[in-house]
Amino acid sequence: EIVLTQSPDFQSVTPKEKVTITCRASQSIGTTLHWYQQKPDQSPKLLIKYASQSFSGVPSRFSGSGSGTDFTLTINSLEAEDAATYYCHQSSSLPLTFGGGTKVEIK
Amino acid sequence: EVQVLESGGGLVQPGGSLRLSCATSGFTFNSCAMSWVRQAPGKGLEWVSTITGTGGDTYYADSVQGRFTISRDNSKNTLYLQMNSLRTEDTAIYYCAKTLGGNYCPDYWGQGTLATVSS
Repeated sequence: EIVLTQSPDFQSVTPKEKVTITCRASQSIGTTLHWYQQKPDQSPKLLIKYASQSFSGVPSRFSGSGSGTDFTLTINSLEAEDAATYYCHQSSSLPLTFGGGTKVEIK
Repeated sequence: EVQVLESGGGLVQPGGSLRLSCATSGFTFNSCAMSWVRQAPGKGLEWVSTITGTGGDTYYADSVQGRFTISRDNSKNTLYLQMNSLRTEDTAIYYCAKTLGGNYCPDYWGQGTLATVSS
């Protein structure tokens, strides 16, 4: 099983600040790494697919990078509506797995 | 517009059964693998099961293997999850999700249905 380790677990950020979340895979997964945003009491929404491709309708302030075992989600100029928990997910091999999540709070 | 709508959750005693349904529209259902992902209260996301577009291949997490069965009716654009021998640790919101073409990454998710296993 591929284990995904996210850091940090929690981040408190002021609006317009830049946010960086990392996800490390326990073995190489190429670029089959995806990022989701989940707001309270809502279902997850896909932000970034295949490490760096923006999903349909996602604001341009969200971007992803990385390959192999190390990946990053960046939120440029954070907005209040970005308060949420962010998850990475790998679809390289079964069982599919998710990172533990990073909660982003707005100061 | 892609739409995914789960139903069938509820309260059941340990050892009992539930059948979840997921009605879909807005995409070519029989061309897409579909998945169930769950989230225990206050916890993270856990993949449960995936079925290919034809229904010919199914995959399960070890935690549900032998107890849960995923299936689909392509004539009704509907996905199912039969959950038997339920345990308290199966309590969760169960999300149905369409997957990306050519990959099992979920792209569109439903709003979820809550299954509570408790005596």
